[in-house]
Amino acid sequence: DAGVIQSPRHEVTEMGQEVTLRCKPISGHNSLFWYRQTMMRGLELLIYFNNNVPIDDSGMPEDRFSAKMPNASFSTLKIQPSEPRDSAVYFCASSTGGWEKLFFGSGTQLSVL
Amino acid sequence: AQTVTQSQPEMSVQEAETVTLSCTYDTSESDYYLFWYKQPPSRQMILVIRQEAYKQQNATENRFSVNFQKAAKSFSLKISDSQLGDAAMYFCAYRTADSGYSTLTFGKGTMLLVSP
Repeated sequence: DAGVIQSPRHEVTEMGQEVTLRCKPISGHNSLFWYRQTMMRGLELLIYFNNNVPIDDSGMPEDRFSAKMPNASFSTLKIQPSEPRDSAVYFCASSTGGWEKLFFGSGTQLSVL
Repeated sequence: AQTVTQSQPEMSVQEAETVTLSCTYDTSESDYYLFWYKQPPSRQMILVIRQEAYKQQNATENRFSVNFQKAAKSFSLKISDSQLGDAAMYFCAYRTADSGYSTLTFGKGTMLLVSP
């Protein structure tokens, strides 16, 4: 199994541009999570999907952020328009639910100039 | 809401020595799960060890063990015979036992430095 696959690994963009981060969870996992990691705030949950349905999006910072999961094998996190304070590492993780461990992707390092 | 606190931003240890990383948490629940994750420079988050709150026995995985004190809401990680490859950021995490909602709340992390 290839694990959780995220793309791109690095993204550099200018303020105001649209950014789309992609995630392919492990096949068979029914839960998917988007986390954001910064030095100041650590790891924060942005949104959680279960069986492709958003369960909790209370961590999404503002309306500029949106996430979709059109099917069990793909999810996107979009920021439009992007701002310098969005610069962070964005992680996607998946699990089989219950208390099974989360499997994390390698993250996307986003830099907004 | 649950909170997880790691009071040590950085710890240092010499190879072959033992080091303990601290973690405390705040919750009103009686059943939950606790985890330690390792994040090396590659950024990949790797599960090190996990503990179920209803189990009194401390979890152990090879050189890694925990000291779980439920009443004190403390969950420390002990690394024995430290190796250079143990150098990483370590995150303590909490997860509710509620089957309908199963995400993780992380602490801010402790950077572990290992010297030869």
